[in-house]
Amino acid sequence: SQQGEEDPQALSIQEGENATMNCSYKTSINNLQWYRQNSGRGLVHLILIRSNEREKHSGRLRVTLDTSKKSSSLLITASRAADTASYFCATAPWIMGANSKLTFGKGITLSVRP
Amino acid sequence: DVKVTQSSRYLVKRTGEKVFLECVQDMDHENMFWYRQDPGLGLRLIYFSYDVKMKEKGDIPEGYSVSREKKERFSLILESASTNQTSMYLCASSFVGSVSYEQYFGPGTRLTVT
Repeated sequence: SQQGEEDPQALSIQEGENATMNCSYKTSINNLQWYRQNSGRGLVHLILIRSNEREKHSGRLRVTLDTSKKSSSLLITASRAADTASYFCATAPWIMGANSKLTFGKGITLSVRP
Repeated sequence: DVKVTQSSRYLVKRTGEKVFLECVQDMDHENMFWYRQDPGLGLRLIYFSYDVKMKEKGDIPEGYSVSREKKERFSLILESASTNQTSMYLCASSFVGSVSYEQYFGPGTRLTVT
């Protein structure tokens, strides 16, 4: 079952512009993570935000979390052609045990035009 | 550096064949996962394992089985391959002791069943 729902499904921007991607989820979470997938490759972890955090930065990435709205956003500033990829949000359950797992959304396709 | 490897990047099999997809991680992670990824459907969990010889069904286990005899190796088995199992297969692992449950992915195996 899908917990995270990303929005929009596809985004096309010009190099240098900012890209904003959103993720909504349904149940309480321990943390929310964003992953990137280059075409035909595996996913790579980008950034994690815990349920008690509201904002986090990592280089050109900024992620926010609003637990009252059950939503998160990922901002990529000053985008580059190399940022062209699919981006996925994933949520970790509130109560985590040895057999816990992440739940991934369907992904957002970002195209950055040179 | 963390590494998850998959036995093949591309695989072509015939309908009815038994297919083995192998995944190996070198990080001593307890949890390992098999996903399939199809356009528009995102990542769907097939099976996961939280310890040697332990396994749990994911969202779409039908037509698949798994084997985990050693901690570092997790195999996905298609007992009798069918054309609707043509897909990208992704293996991942995660460390139970990590509070984030961040997953590390292999490069993927693109399987075509003809």
